Amino acid sequence: DSGVTQTPKHLITATGQRVTLRCSPRSGDLSVYWYQQSLDQGLQFLIQYYNGEERAKGNILERFSAQQFPDLHSELNLSSLELGDSALYFCASSVTGSSNEKLFFGSGTQLSVL
Amino acid sequence: DQQVKQNSPSLSVQEGRISILNCDYTNSMFDYFLWYKKYPAEGPTFLISISSIKDKNEDGRFTVFLNKSAKHLSLHIVPSQPGDSAVYFCAAAGSYNTDKLIFGTGTRLQVFP
Repeated sequence: DSGVTQTPKHLITATGQRVTLRCSPRSGDLSVYWYQQSLDQGLQFLIQYYNGEERAKGNILERFSAQQFPDLHSELNLSSLELGDSALYFCASSVTGSSNEKLFFGSGTQLSVL
Repeated sequence: DQQVKQNSPSLSVQEGRISILNCDYTNSMFDYFLWYKKYPAEGPTFLISISSIKDKNEDGRFTVFLNKSAKHLSLHIVPSQPGDSAVYFCAAAGSYNTDKLIFGTGTRLQVFP
């Protein structure tokens, strides 16, 4: 158990809909990351937050947004969903958010867009 | 543009033998390299890392080698065990706080008896 909690584990929705994925980092970790893993793809970095502030941004679509709340949990909002958004979404956390720090991953949310 | 590449999608090795997983990168600014292991229905877990000032790091059965001139790293598992069967991801990052960890596409290792 990594200590990172992601909910829900599975999500099935239709095209055009909006969903929210939730992540609780490990106790004491200030930084949260979101990654997307599509079929046969590696983990694509989406966005990183540190203590409530956005620190780094990857190839995150404009239809996607995220935030980190004062209690350090994070939410990833995906809107106007398309079939291609079907993927496994991972949240990870680390203590300081330094680039050489190992990340602790949650078990992911499997999103299926039908 | 895939900055971190794992060109072998899968590898099959007999129990007790050596497993060698390879990873190539293109960005010479990468300073730190990590390997993660992923079992089905679980998130990736950290396995071993190496910084660019070293060329080898060892942890039990796992050794990572870094060849900076070739922009290549490899993970050696000796001896391989059936429990090592998983997907292995190579990842790299620069040294700035805003640098993100870039992952490869993964290599599925199967260790058979």
